[in-house]
Amino acid sequence: LAKTTQPISMDSYEGQEVNITCSHNNIATNDYITWYQQFPSQGPRFIIQGYKTKVTNEVASLFIPADRKSSTLSLPRVSLSDTAVYYCLVGARDDKIIFGKGTRLHILP
Amino acid sequence: DSGVTQTPKHLITATGQRVTLRCSPRSGDLSVYWYQQSLDQGLQFLIQYYNGEERAKGNILERFSAQQFPDLHSELNLSSLELGDSALYFCASSVVPQDEQYFGPGTRLTVT
Repeated sequence: LAKTTQPISMDSYEGQEVNITCSHNNIATNDYITWYQQFPSQGPRFIIQGYKTKVTNEVASLFIPADRKSSTLSLPRVSLSDTAVYYCLVGARDDKIIFGKGTRLHILP
Repeated sequence: DSGVTQTPKHLITATGQRVTLRCSPRSGDLSVYWYQQSLDQGLQFLIQYYNGEERAKGNILERFSAQQFPDLHSELNLSSLELGDSALYFCASSVVPQDEQYFGPGTRLTVT
């Protein structure tokens, strides 16, 4: 069961790149790493998923070092609308799922 | 719009009562998950189904039960409700376990 640790909160400014790191020291060989974004009173929204090295899509990049014990979500040029809670999720097919408390990201003008 | 639907959107009921929350997954998704989120808390995983079978169980209370039907929709039953059960209940679906999950808009349950 892979437990994750993330910073509780982060502040940044509009137009900056934001990197949120998640530690998952006991990640298993077949675990994927998935990040979600949640706005108040809404269901979480899938951002990106990866297994190793680097994954990029239209909204974010995910960096995973060779030992896979951590991962970093990178949000380029954030805006006020990126203010949300970001969750890192590491899990295998039959594990119970632990979202953790997430990182509360606050973007300032 | 994630493609996952949940009904009802809001539910107000009294302590001791029983309610049923309904979820329809995205077309083609075989896995359904249920989560509870209390005010300003993280997401608590309750239970997961895959193609009608229970796949994984979280900290789901004995007063709560769920099932996934042959048409893949799912229902979460909450009984003997307590004030502390007031929360947002989310359903999510994915094609197979560990794929990215798509969440519904949630059901806000208020127990008075």
